[in-house]
Amino acid sequence: NAGVTQTPKFQVLKTGQSMTLQCAQDMNHNSMYWYRQDPGMGLRLIYYSASEGTTDKGEVPNGYNVSRLNKREFSLRLESAAPSQTSVYFCASSVGEGGNEQFFGPGTRLTVL
Amino acid sequence: LAKTTQPISMDSYEGQEVNITCSHNNIATNDYITWYQQFPSQGPRFIIQGYKTKVTNEVASLFIPADRKSSTLSLPRVSLSDTAVYYCLGDLRAGNNRKLIWGLGTSLAVNP
Repeated sequence: NAGVTQTPKFQVLKTGQSMTLQCAQDMNHNSMYWYRQDPGMGLRLIYYSASEGTTDKGEVPNGYNVSRLNKREFSLRLESAAPSQTSVYFCASSVGEGGNEQFFGPGTRLTVL
Repeated sequence: LAKTTQPISMDSYEGQEVNITCSHNNIATNDYITWYQQFPSQGPRFIIQGYKTKVTNEVASLFIPADRKSSTLSLPRVSLSDTAVYYCLGDLRAGNNRKLIWGLGTSLAVNP
C-alpha cells in the first residue's frame, strides 16, 4: 500500500515549456486534490476532483489544467510554464468531501527558469 | 470571506504542553476544523479534526468554543520530534462549491 505517489520528484523547465505532473493513490479514495506551496503562502488549492469524472477550480487555477483519468489517477498539466509557477506541488486524496482526512504525496519540486 | 489566521512561530521546551490557536472568521456552521503537521520536504500529515467542543486522540486535543471563531490545538508533553509546521484548515462548503481555507502555518520549535 503505497498511499499517494507523485512523479516526478524534481523538474526544471524553461519558460514556455509544458509538462504534466502525475499523481496516483491506491486507497480507493473518491476525492483528489492538487496544491501548490510557496514560502510564506501556505498551501493553496489549484484544482480538486470530488469524484471520478468531476473536476473543480480551487483558489489558484490559472495556468493549470487537470485530468481525472480514473479513480486512482489525477494529473496536473502546465501548458506554458512561467517562472511564477516555480513551487512545490502536492497531490492529496481523501475518502470523500466534507472534512475528510486528506492524505498527501511527497511533492514535486518544480523550477521554471 | 472565510479566512484562517494563526501565529507564525512558537518556541517550547521538551516536556511542555503547547497550545496553538487558529482564528477562523466567517466559518460556516457545518465546517470542520482540521489540523495538519508538516516536516521539511514532506507532505502535510493529518493530526486531528473537530466540529465543536473537544476532540482528543492519541497525539493531540482540539478545543473549539461554542462560537467556533477559533480553535486550539493542544500538544501534550512535546518532544524534539514535534518540531514542525502546524496548519489549521477550514473546510467550507457553499452550495456546490468547496473552499479549503488553509492557515499560513505555525512553525513550532521544540528545544532541549
